[in-house]
Amino acid sequence: AQRVTQPEKLLSVFKGAPVELKCNYSYSGSPELFWYVQYSRQRLQLLLRHISRESIKGFTADLNKGETSFHLKKPFAQEEDSAMYYCALLSGTYKYIFGTGTRLKVLA
Amino acid sequence: NAGVTQTPKFQVLKTGQSMTLQCAQDMNHEYMSWYRQDPGMGLRLIHYSVGAGITDQGEVPNGYNVSRSTTEDFPLRLLSAAPSQTSVYFCASSWIAGGTYNEQFFGPGTRLTVL
Repeated sequence: AQRVTQPEKLLSVFKGAPVELKCNYSYSGSPELFWYVQYSRQRLQLLLRHISRESIKGFTADLNKGETSFHLKKPFAQEEDSAMYYCALLSGTYKYIFGTGTRLKVLA
Repeated sequence: NAGVTQTPKFQVLKTGQSMTLQCAQDMNHEYMSWYRQDPGMGLRLIHYSVGAGITDQGEVPNGYNVSRSTTEDFPLRLLSAAPSQTSVYFCASSWIAGGTYNEQFFGPGTRLTVL
């Protein structure tokens, strides 16, 4: 079955601490993976996708096919990073599968 | 350029009533989709469309209908509302370029309560 798992509902870190939001997937083919973010009172928006291999707002995510993971990392958390983060998989043709989301709280 | 718009923002229905959630985009995107967002469940795909006249089911299509008569509009119809359809509904759209899916742009959401 195709599935995206985000094991943490809530992750609290202090400002300046490293952050890692976990995402594991189950997919038989070659996956396309994304991280979307929803800041308070804003729309859900794309943060980054594995195919671009880019760093956005200091966040990076590396696809590890051996561990079927796509964890989101940032070396130094900022208060403005507090948001809801969703990992998503583009499954087969045109269908997106989202994880259940992780709420990140960055404490001052 | 309004992006993706959704109406209404809030709606309360009684069990058995029908209604249509509206979604429109002005970016000439081929791909449009509907999701529902429930606590602890994340976003789940209801229906999607890759162009005018082409729609298909997502993960949770039961109780919902869609149509795509124009590129811009993708309404979601609830045929006979049930309390289990209480949720926040998001519409999204994106380009399809050479088989690669680009960024999905999301609407602001519609909060629906079914009593």
